[in-house]
Amino acid sequence: QSALTQPPSVSGSPGQSVTISCTGTSSDVGGYNRVSWYQQFPGTAPKLIIYEVTNRPSGVPDRFSGSKSGNTASLTISGLQAEDEAVYYCSSYRSYSTYVSGTGTMVTVL
Amino acid sequence: ELQLVESGGGLVQPGGSLRLSCAASGFSFTTSWMRWVRQAPGKGLEWVANIKGDGSERNYLGSVEGRFTISRNNAENSLYLHMNSLRADDTAVYYCAKELSYSADLWGQGTLVTVSS
Repeated sequence: QSALTQPPSVSGSPGQSVTISCTGTSSDVGGYNRVSWYQQFPGTAPKLIIYEVTNRPSGVPDRFSGSKSGNTASLTISGLQAEDEAVYYCSSYRSYSTYVSGTGTMVTVL
Repeated sequence: ELQLVESGGGLVQPGGSLRLSCAASGFSFTTSWMRWVRQAPGKGLEWVANIKGDGSERNYLGSVEGRFTISRNNAENSLYLHMNSLRADDTAVYYCAKELSYSADLWGQGTLVTVSS
Protein backbone atom coordinates (compact mmCIF):
# COMPACT_ATOMS: atom_id res chain seq x y z
CA GLN A 1 0.00 0.00 0.00
CA SER A 2 1.82 3.15 -1.22
CA ALA A 3 1.96 6.10 1.13
CA LEU A 4 1.07 9.63 0.08
CA THR A 5 4.12 11.68 -0.86
CA GLN A 6 5.17 14.61 1.33
CA PRO A 7 8.43 16.60 1.34
CA PRO A 8 10.72 15.37 4.16
CA SER A 9 11.19 18.87 5.54
CA VAL A 10 10.24 22.51 5.15
CA SER A 11 11.46 25.51 7.09
CA GLY A 12 10.66 29.15 7.60
CA SER A 13 11.34 32.09 9.86
CA PRO A 14 8.83 33.26 12.46
CA GLY A 15 5.99 35.13 10.79
CA GLN A 16 6.54 33.57 7.39
CA SER A 17 4.24 31.11 5.65
CA VAL A 18 5.12 27.54 4.76
CA THR A 19 3.17 25.06 2.64
CA ILE A 20 3.36 21.28 2.81
CA SER A 21 2.20 19.23 -0.16
CA CYS A 22 0.64 15.77 -0.06
CA THR A 23 0.46 13.94 -3.38
CA GLY A 24 -1.63 10.87 -3.99
CA THR A 25 -3.75 9.46 -6.78
CA SER A 26 -7.30 9.59 -8.12
CA SER A 27 -8.08 6.64 -5.82
CA ASP A 28 -7.41 8.66 -2.68
CA VAL A 29 -6.60 12.41 -2.52
CA GLY A 30 -8.02 13.21 -5.95
CA GLY A 31 -11.12 11.08 -5.63
CA TYR A 32 -12.53 12.29 -2.32
CA ASN A 33 -12.68 15.43 -0.19
CA ARG A 34 -11.57 13.34 2.77
CA VAL A 35 -8.06 14.58 3.45
CA SER A 36 -6.97 15.30 6.98
CA TRP A 37 -3.78 16.69 8.52
CA TYR A 38 -2.14 15.86 11.85
CA GLN A 39 0.52 17.55 13.95
CA GLN A 40 2.83 15.38 16.04
CA PHE A 41 5.44 16.35 18.62
CA PRO A 42 8.14 13.84 19.65
CA GLY A 43 6.86 11.15 21.97
CA THR A 44 3.24 12.28 21.82
CA ALA A 45 0.10 11.23 19.98
CA PRO A 46 -0.88 13.03 16.77
CA LYS A 47 -3.36 15.91 16.91
CA LEU A 48 -5.96 16.60 14.23
CA ILE A 49 -5.60 20.08 12.72
CA ILE A 50 -7.53 19.85 9.43
CA TYR A 51 -10.29 17.47 8.27
CA GLU A 52 -12.25 17.14 5.04
CA VAL A 53 -9.57 19.16 3.21
CA THR A 54 -10.37 22.59 4.67
CA ASN A 55 -12.11 22.27 8.04
CA ARG A 56 -10.42 23.15 11.32
CA PRO A 57 -11.52 21.48 14.57
CA SER A 58 -12.44 23.76 17.43
CA GLY A 59 -9.36 25.20 19.12
CA VAL A 60 -7.02 24.95 16.14
CA PRO A 61 -5.59 28.39 15.25
CA ASP A 62 -6.75 29.88 11.95
CA ARG A 63 -3.15 30.20 10.77
CA PHE A 64 -3.53 26.56 9.74
CA SER A 65 -5.41 26.11 6.46
CA GLY A 66 -5.91 23.32 3.96
CA SER A 67 -6.64 23.08 0.26
CA LYS A 68 -6.64 20.59 -2.60
CA SER A 69 -6.05 20.63 -6.33
CA GLY A 70 -6.33 17.43 -8.32
CA ASN A 71 -4.35 14.66 -6.65
CA THR A 72 -2.41 17.03 -4.35
CA ALA A 73 -3.55 18.42 -1.02
CA SER A 74 -1.73 21.18 0.81
CA LEU A 75 -1.40 22.46 4.37
CA THR A 76 -0.37 26.08 4.83
CA ILE A 77 0.86 27.53 8.10
CA SER A 78 0.65 31.33 7.99
CA GLY A 79 2.45 33.48 10.50
CA LEU A 80 4.76 30.64 11.53
CA GLN A 81 5.44 30.40 15.26
CA ALA A 82 8.13 28.54 17.21
CA GLU A 83 5.49 26.29 18.71
CA ASP A 84 4.57 25.03 15.22
CA GLU A 85 7.85 23.11 14.96
CA ALA A 86 6.65 19.50 14.65
CA VAL A 87 6.09 16.68 12.18
CA TYR A 88 2.97 16.96 10.02
CA TYR A 89 1.17 14.05 8.36
CA CYS A 90 -1.58 14.04 5.78
CA SER A 91 -4.08 11.22 5.50
CA SER A 92 -6.75 10.38 2.95
CA TYR A 93 -9.66 8.04 2.56
CA ARG A 94 -8.87 5.53 -0.15
CA SER A 95 -11.10 3.25 -2.21
CA TYR A 96 -12.56 0.18 -0.50
CA SER A 97 -13.03 1.93 2.85
CA THR A 98 -9.37 2.13 3.80
CA TYR A 99 -7.08 5.00 4.64
CA VAL A 100 -3.56 5.94 3.62
CA SER A 101 -1.16 8.33 5.33
CA GLY A 102 1.60 10.56 4.08
CA THR A 103 5.32 10.10 4.63
CA GLY A 104 5.49 13.02 7.07
CA THR A 105 7.08 16.47 6.92
CA MET A 106 9.29 18.04 9.56
CA VAL A 107 8.59 21.75 9.94
CA THR A 108 11.54 23.71 11.31
CA VAL A 109 11.21 27.26 12.55
CA LEU A 110 14.49 29.04 11.87
CA GLU B 1 -13.35 14.34 30.15
CA LEU B 2 -12.76 13.12 26.61
CA GLN B 3 -10.26 10.30 26.91
CA LEU B 4 -8.92 7.14 25.30
CA VAL B 5 -6.56 4.89 27.23
CA GLU B 6 -4.82 1.95 25.55
CA SER B 7 -3.37 -1.08 27.28
CA GLY B 8 -2.12 -4.56 26.48
CA GLY B 9 1.10 -3.85 24.62
CA GLY B 10 4.32 -5.68 25.31
CA LEU B 11 6.99 -8.02 24.00
CA VAL B 12 5.81 -11.03 21.99
CA GLN B 13 7.63 -13.62 19.91
CA PRO B 14 7.12 -13.86 16.14
CA GLY B 15 4.03 -15.92 15.44
CA GLY B 16 2.52 -15.00 18.79
CA SER B 17 -0.71 -13.25 19.73
CA LEU B 18 -1.67 -10.18 21.69
CA ARG B 19 -4.88 -8.33 22.50
CA LEU B 20 -4.89 -4.55 22.80
CA SER B 21 -7.63 -2.71 24.68
CA CYS B 22 -8.80 0.88 24.57
CA ALA B 23 -11.05 2.37 27.27
CA ALA B 24 -13.16 5.31 26.12
CA SER B 25 -14.84 8.01 28.17
CA GLY B 26 -16.44 11.43 27.79
CA PHE B 27 -18.23 10.93 24.47
CA SER B 28 -20.93 8.82 22.87
CA PHE B 29 -18.90 5.67 22.24
CA THR B 30 -21.84 3.68 20.88
CA THR B 31 -22.38 6.03 17.94
CA SER B 32 -18.69 6.59 17.11
CA TRP B 33 -16.61 4.91 14.45
CA MET B 34 -13.30 3.93 16.04
CA ARG B 35 -9.94 3.05 14.54
CA TRP B 36 -6.49 1.69 15.32
CA VAL B 37 -3.44 3.45 13.91
CA ARG B 38 0.15 2.31 14.36
CA GLN B 39 3.54 3.95 14.12
CA ALA B 40 6.71 1.91 13.76
CA PRO B 41 9.79 3.33 15.50
CA GLY B 42 10.97 6.43 13.64
CA LYS B 43 8.34 5.97 10.93
CA GLY B 44 5.05 7.52 9.87
CA LEU B 45 1.45 6.80 10.78
CA GLU B 46 -0.30 3.74 9.34
CA TRP B 47 -4.06 3.15 9.57
CA VAL B 48 -4.71 -0.44 10.69
CA ALA B 49 -8.46 -0.96 11.01
CA ASN B 50 -11.73 0.69 11.88
CA ILE B 51 -15.16 -0.35 13.10
CA LYS B 52 -18.60 1.21 12.96
CA GLY B 53 -20.39 2.23 16.15
CA ASP B 54 -22.71 -0.78 16.20
CA GLY B 55 -19.92 -3.14 15.09
CA SER B 56 -21.69 -3.98 11.83
CA GLU B 57 -18.86 -2.84 9.55
CA ARG B 58 -15.11 -3.40 9.88
CA ASN B 59 -12.29 -2.53 7.52
CA TYR B 60 -8.63 -3.57 7.55
CA LEU B 61 -5.23 -2.68 6.15
CA GLY B 62 -4.36 -5.30 3.56
CA SER B 63 -1.25 -6.55 5.37
CA VAL B 64 -3.15 -7.32 8.59
CA GLU B 65 -6.37 -8.73 7.14
CA GLY B 66 -6.86 -12.29 8.33
CA ARG B 67 -4.38 -11.83 11.19
CA PHE B 68 -5.92 -8.92 13.12
CA THR B 69 -9.52 -8.52 14.32
CA ILE B 70 -11.01 -5.25 15.53
CA SER B 71 -13.95 -5.51 17.93
CA ARG B 72 -15.79 -3.47 20.51
CA ASN B 73 -17.94 -3.83 23.62
CA ASN B 74 -20.31 -0.87 23.73
CA ALA B 75 -21.64 -1.84 27.16
CA GLU B 76 -18.13 -1.32 28.53
CA ASN B 77 -17.07 1.55 26.22
CA SER B 78 -14.13 -0.54 25.06
CA LEU B 79 -12.34 -1.12 21.78
CA TYR B 80 -10.08 -4.08 21.07
CA LEU B 81 -7.51 -5.26 18.57
CA HIS B 82 -6.83 -8.99 18.52
CA MET B 83 -3.50 -9.65 16.82
CA ASN B 84 -2.40 -13.11 15.70
CA SER B 85 0.57 -14.43 13.72
CA LEU B 86 2.57 -11.38 14.70
CA ARG B 87 5.62 -10.47 12.62
CA ALA B 88 8.61 -8.25 13.25
CA ASP B 89 7.15 -5.57 10.97
CA ASP B 90 4.11 -5.31 13.26
CA THR B 91 6.39 -3.71 15.88
CA ALA B 92 4.96 -0.26 16.56
CA VAL B 93 3.15 2.04 18.93
CA TYR B 94 -0.54 1.30 18.49
CA TYR B 95 -3.00 4.17 18.98
CA CYS B 96 -6.75 3.93 19.25
CA ALA B 97 -8.66 6.91 17.96
CA LYS B 98 -12.20 8.20 17.59
CA GLU B 99 -13.29 9.10 14.10
CA LEU B 100 -14.82 12.35 12.93
CA SER B 101 -15.76 12.84 9.29
CA TYR B 102 -13.12 10.47 7.87
CA SER B 103 -10.43 11.69 10.26
CA ALA B 104 -9.33 10.93 13.83
CA ASP B 105 -10.12 13.72 16.28
CA LEU B 106 -9.34 12.06 19.61
CA TRP B 107 -6.30 9.86 20.23
CA GLY B 108 -5.04 7.76 23.08
CA GLN B 109 -1.46 7.88 24.34
CA GLY B 110 -0.51 4.69 22.54
CA THR B 111 0.77 1.27 23.61
CA LEU B 112 4.02 -0.27 22.35
CA VAL B 113 4.00 -3.69 20.74
CA THR B 114 7.40 -5.27 20.15
CA VAL B 115 7.64 -8.48 18.11
CA SER B 116 11.01 -10.10 18.66
CA SER B 117 12.59 -13.38 19.67
